[in-house]
Amino acid sequence: DGGITQSPKYLFRKEGQNVTLSCEQNLNHDAMYWYRQDPGQGLRLIYYSQIVNDFQKGDIAEGYSVSREKKESFPLTVTSAQKNPTAFYLCASRSTGGHYISNQPQHFGDGTRLSIL
Amino acid sequence: KNQVEQSPQSLIILEGKNCTLQCNYTVSPFSNLRWYKQDTGRGPVSLTIMTFSENTKSNGRYTATLDADTKQSSLHITASQLSDSASYICVVSATDSWGKLQFGAGTQVVVTP
Repeated sequence: DGGITQSPKYLFRKEGQNVTLSCEQNLNHDAMYWYRQDPGQGLRLIYYSQIVNDFQKGDIAEGYSVSREKKESFPLTVTSAQKNPTAFYLCASRSTGGHYISNQPQHFGDGTRLSIL
Repeated sequence: KNQVEQSPQSLIILEGKNCTLQCNYTVSPFSNLRWYKQDTGRGPVSLTIMTFSENTKSNGRYTATLDADTKQSSLHITASQLSDSASYICVVSATDSWGKLQFGAGTQVVVTP
């Protein structure tokens, strides 16, 4: 089955620690995204990548870092500089084929819930 | 200010009844509007997509409407089932080079027996 796999499902971070969330897709999509979901708020974009070895900051990139060394993988690191990391993190991918990328649906993984110890 | 506002924040309905969720947006220039369903602890799944020229789109018991003039959309759930209990998220895409999405905060629907 094609899809997006996020791991782990639950993650705990200690003070001053960096943690990395994994996102893998086998949909052959060029574009990948990381979102943060907090209660009562819409999803907010952290980083996105439209092609391998290239990525751009989203609306709330501070305290986060990413890499895109392979088409299938887009890991997110939550650094110690992110003072309020407790949230549900969602990874998504999208095909960039067709006339309008905006008409292509984003496919989401099942998320990683990050909490502070 | 959020460019996509949804109402109500939450609602409880009896199994078998109908309900309607609302979405107002200010995103411009408008490309399309999607409704996503998000089960608890899962990622969102696309239900419908509507572009500027479309007024109504159905997916089984889900029917979405769009009024591009007033920038309003609704999602109607017919004959609700327990499995419809979820958060429903309105997502609007602007016409730009990479189709950035604006997300509403969602409406939490609880269907009770």
